[in-house]
Amino acid sequence: TQLLEQSPQFLSIQEGENLTVYCNSSSVFSSLQWYRQEPGEGPVLLVTVVTGGEVKKLKRLTFQFGDARKDSSLHITAAQPGDTGLYLCAGARGAQKLVFGQGTRLTINP
Amino acid sequence: NAGVTQTPKFQVLKTGQSMTLQCAQDMNHNSMYWYRQDPGMGLRLIYYSASEGTTDKGEVPNGYNVSRLNKREFSLRLESAAPSQTSVYFCASRTLTGQDEQYFGPGTRLTVT
Repeated sequence: TQLLEQSPQFLSIQEGENLTVYCNSSSVFSSLQWYRQEPGEGPVLLVTVVTGGEVKKLKRLTFQFGDARKDSSLHITAAQPGDTGLYLCAGARGAQKLVFGQGTRLTINP
Repeated sequence: NAGVTQTPKFQVLKTGQSMTLQCAQDMNHNSMYWYRQDPGMGLRLIYYSASEGTTDKGEVPNGYNVSRLNKREFSLRLESAAPSQTSVYFCASRTLTGQDEQYFGPGTRLTVT
């Protein structure tokens, strides 16, 4: 049973389009992180959200933590080929452990 | 400042062989982790170490052992490799003070035949 469900699992869109990736759970997390992973490399942290309802922006990427701290979304505006990669969300349970979603594989076509 | 380093990058083992995956970090983090990544499964926690001298089981610890050698180094050992342990293994270190940030190594791709 996946504690964190990401949707969609695969997404292929054209350059310039907007997209949203969702990360949902029935559990409450103390914080939630988003990572991007490129082939042959380890995941790289993009953002950590801590407060329910929090919104953080990283250039064309907007991250939101749900009010109840059970879900999160990643919105990309005007996607570019450089945004291609595997996006992972991870929820913090307790002081030490992170639980990861299964990932969203995003492809941006020129 | 190398961040998190892992060796080896690739390894092929036969069923029943043993090996140790090495991990080191130079960021003075207390917490270190071992994950495995399989297609469609995201990352699953094998073992973690909250501080030097302590280790705890994660979600999928069976078939693995770990050693936190010192603050910098955290190794993962497969005593008797099985085909089900074919995976990509990632080591990570994490700072829990201030901004919660976790840094991953480049991974070890392990195949067990």
